[in-house]
Amino acid sequence: GIQVEQSPPDLILQEGANSTLRCNFSDSVNNLQWFHQNPWGQLINLFYIPSGTKQNGRLSATTVATERYSLLYISSSQTTDSGVYFCAVVGGIGGSTLGRLYFGRGTQLTVWP
Amino acid sequence: EPEVTQTPSHQVTQMGQEVILRCVPISNHLYFYWYRQILGQKVEFLVSFYNNEISEKSEIFDDQFSVERPDGSNFTLKIRSTKLEDSAMYFCASSGSVTIQETQYFGPGTRLLVL
Repeated sequence: GIQVEQSPPDLILQEGANSTLRCNFSDSVNNLQWFHQNPWGQLINLFYIPSGTKQNGRLSATTVATERYSLLYISSSQTTDSGVYFCAVVGGIGGSTLGRLYFGRGTQLTVWP
Repeated sequence: EPEVTQTPSHQVTQMGQEVILRCVPISNHLYFYWYRQILGQKVEFLVSFYNNEISEKSEIFDDQFSVERPDGSNFTLKIRSTKLEDSAMYFCASSGSVTIQETQYFGPGTRLLVL
């Protein structure tokens, strides 16, 4: 299956700081999603972004499919941004079967007041 | 906004017992999935389901597991004889399209503890 590597594994920030989380994947993808797992364990959809750039408030994401990476930017971080951020991909045509998401191990973000 | 719902939110069971985890996918979605996450680890795919049959299953999804869509709204995961190592958060997800280029929406999860 596709390998998904996320970095850094842990990130500690002061409130108001900016951060960049990275996701590298080993093969062509047709679906890439970023999730935030909150302290209650819920997986919150942030972005569906197999290519290009999207923005939603203080968060934005960029995927460069040809170079097999995606970046998640968090600006002016808040304590409520704390949690684990996961990148997940579905493999390209001829690769994995329809729909199966491969997850990375996540980045644990802690934002201090 | 439509969402995936799961019941129960928590379940505690004894080893060897059967459990059924329930999910109501988003109503016009066609593809359904189960994933699990052992505490502190990454989320792992279990099974996908389309057109009333399994599309794909992972190596985790052995004979102890089964899925069913008993009516037009529910999607269930049954673990026939639970083991200690089945303790995990189980997520149901659904997506709407026949193509693979489609967002998967996750439910809030069922936290299963096997004693």
